[in-house]
Amino acid sequence: AQTVTQSQPEMSVQEAETVTLSCTYDTSENNYYLFWYKQPPSRQMILVIRQEAYKQQNATENRFSVNFQKAAKSFSLKISDSQLGDTAMYFCAFMKPDNNAGNMLTFGGGTRLMVKP
Amino acid sequence: DSGVTQTPKHLITATGQRVTLRCSPRSGDLSVYWYQQSLDQGLQFLIQYYNGEERAKGNILERFSAQQFPDLHSELNLSSLELGDSALYFCASSVSSRYEQFFGPGTRLTVL
Repeated sequence: AQTVTQSQPEMSVQEAETVTLSCTYDTSENNYYLFWYKQPPSRQMILVIRQEAYKQQNATENRFSVNFQKAAKSFSLKISDSQLGDTAMYFCAFMKPDNNAGNMLTFGGGTRLMVKP
Repeated sequence: DSGVTQTPKHLITATGQRVTLRCSPRSGDLSVYWYQQSLDQGLQFLIQYYNGEERAKGNILERFSAQQFPDLHSELNLSSLELGDSALYFCASSVSSRYEQFFGPGTRLTVL
């Protein structure tokens, strides 16, 4: 079974600064997907970014980018130019695609990020 | 707005009761997933349906069951409710050929 670990329960950053959230995972699979989801106080789960394991290039979505280190099984999220609206719980998630056995997400415990003005 | 809808938003009930949570996936999505978010267990996968058939089961209790109907909406049935079943229940959907899962707003269940 896969496990996902987020070692930083809470973090804070000043508005306009850059912050990096850590995630490590354990798997014996070679083909998989990794995701970061954001959960603001509204509790809605919002997809931030995804990374395919077979792609060497790190994914980027506007101010959000990842540092994917496959050999180290590390998948960190960098948020540039932090905004107050980035205040939320962030979850790292792993998925092994399998059309027969299912495509469930395995989540880490989350990192609570507070952006300070 | 993810396009996934869930009803009701909030549900308060008593121990021993039975409730039904409803989910409508995004248009065109064939897969529906149910997740439970509780304070002590975090976010856990419960069950997946694909085009009306059960595809995968996670840590779903025997008191819980689900189904996906021909119009692709899904229902999660929780019976003999216990205090520990209080949680936020999310439904998510995805298109089978892509792997992002889009989440609904959740149903907050409180068992008193």
